[in-house]
Amino acid sequence: ELKVEQNPLFLSMQEGKNYTIYCNYSTTSDRLYWYRQDPGKSLESLFVLLSNGAVKQEGRLMASLDTKARLSTLHITAAVHDLSATYFCAVDEASGTYKYIFGTGTRLKVLA
Amino acid sequence: NAGVTQTPKFQVLKTGQSMTLQCAQDMNHEYMSWYRQDPGMGLRLIHYSVGAGITDQGEVPNGYNVSRSTTEDFPLRLLSAAPSQTSVYFCASSYGSGGNGYTFGSGTRLTVV
Repeated sequence: ELKVEQNPLFLSMQEGKNYTIYCNYSTTSDRLYWYRQDPGKSLESLFVLLSNGAVKQEGRLMASLDTKARLSTLHITAAVHDLSATYFCAVDEASGTYKYIFGTGTRLKVLA
Repeated sequence: NAGVTQTPKFQVLKTGQSMTLQCAQDMNHEYMSWYRQDPGMGLRLIHYSVGAGITDQGEVPNGYNVSRSTTEDFPLRLLSAAPSQTSVYFCASSYGSGGNGYTFGSGTRLTVV
């Protein structure tokens, strides 16, 4: 059974600081997704990582994937209040099954 | 282009009642899934489909049925509602090999009393 673990579960940080959210998973899948969810809203796709060593960047967020370590990171650079949200990673249970399992999420609060 | 449309947005059921949550997408996506979201537990996969006529169970399928007679629609049926099924339900769809990630609907907030 696939396990997807995120840490930390909660993160409170000051504006302007850097931090990293970690997503560990137990399968050999090489597909990993990051999503953002604002309170009371639906989920929005942020990054799609489809191979070992993949790195994607959008604004102050950068995601990377290490399939050998079964680890993805979401790095936040110089955080701003607008980044406050819950971030989820999701992994294909096995390559090609399209059965995506989500982590429990990291609730990020950026303090002004 | 409406994306993924879920109805209703809110629903209150009595224990034992049945109902169908509707999900439709107009993007010709092959892959569709239903998730439930509960506080502190992230999203859990209920059922998913890789194309019309093909469905499979996810992590928490008990108490739910699905069918996929068309590419566009993927309804979720609650057979006999229980308080444990109180949750927010999200439908999502994706094209091809998930290259763009899932597009999520706006969710259905279900309360079973």
